Amino acid sequence: KQEVTQIPAALSVPEGENLVLNCSFTDSAIYNLQWFRQDPGKGLTSLLLIQSSQREQTSGRLNASLDKSSGRSTLYIAASQPGDSATYLCAVCNQAGTALIFGKGTTLSVSS
Amino acid sequence: GAGVSQSPSNKVTEKGKDVELRCDPISGHTALYWYRQSLGQGLEFLIYFQGNSAPDKSGLPSDRFSAERTGGSVSTLTIQRTQQEDSAVYLCASSPKGLPSDNEQFFGPGTRLTVL
Repeated sequence: KQEVTQIPAALSVPEGENLVLNCSFTDSAIYNLQWFRQDPGKGLTSLLLIQSSQREQTSGRLNASLDKSSGRSTLYIAASQPGDSATYLCAVCNQAGTALIFGKGTTLSVSS
Repeated sequence: GAGVSQSPSNKVTEKGKDVELRCDPISGHTALYWYRQSLGQGLEFLIYFQGNSAPDKSGLPSDRFSAERTGGSVSTLTIQRTQQEDSAVYLCASSPKGLPSDNEQFFGPGTRLTVL
């Protein structure tokens, strides 16, 4: 059974720091991996999608990497800002493409 | 364009009552998903619809839960005889499934269900 783990569960950093969020999964037979952001009381916003054949994706200050063989992904946030404060969720899509399996998230707080 | 919409945004009900939650996917998206987010459990997959194919119901927690999708668009999630442990945020997502590169899922704002 696929399990997704995110470390750390919470992270507090001062504005301007670069930071890395970690995601690991137990079954390397994934279709793709997606990073989401969730603000308190809100739905999920898709940040980056990495297909299983890709190694990384970039969008602005965000860079996500995928190492399928080791079951790991990282989300790198450059020059963090208070507006980046949110919960970041990692999810892997099963081989059938029918469901996302989520980690429990990393709650990020960026102080000004 | 318009994103995934869900209604109601909040629902408070009494234990034992039935509730219906609605999802309007992004126009043209053929795949639709329901998830549940509860404290301590994280996000859990409930059910998946793809076009006119039989849905994947493998995530539904009990037979009190059911969902339908009419005309390949709007979906309704029904919970019968609600229990307090059903309290959660119910999220709907859609994706333009057809090609592997189209499998990104877009989420609605969710319905917060509270069972008293």
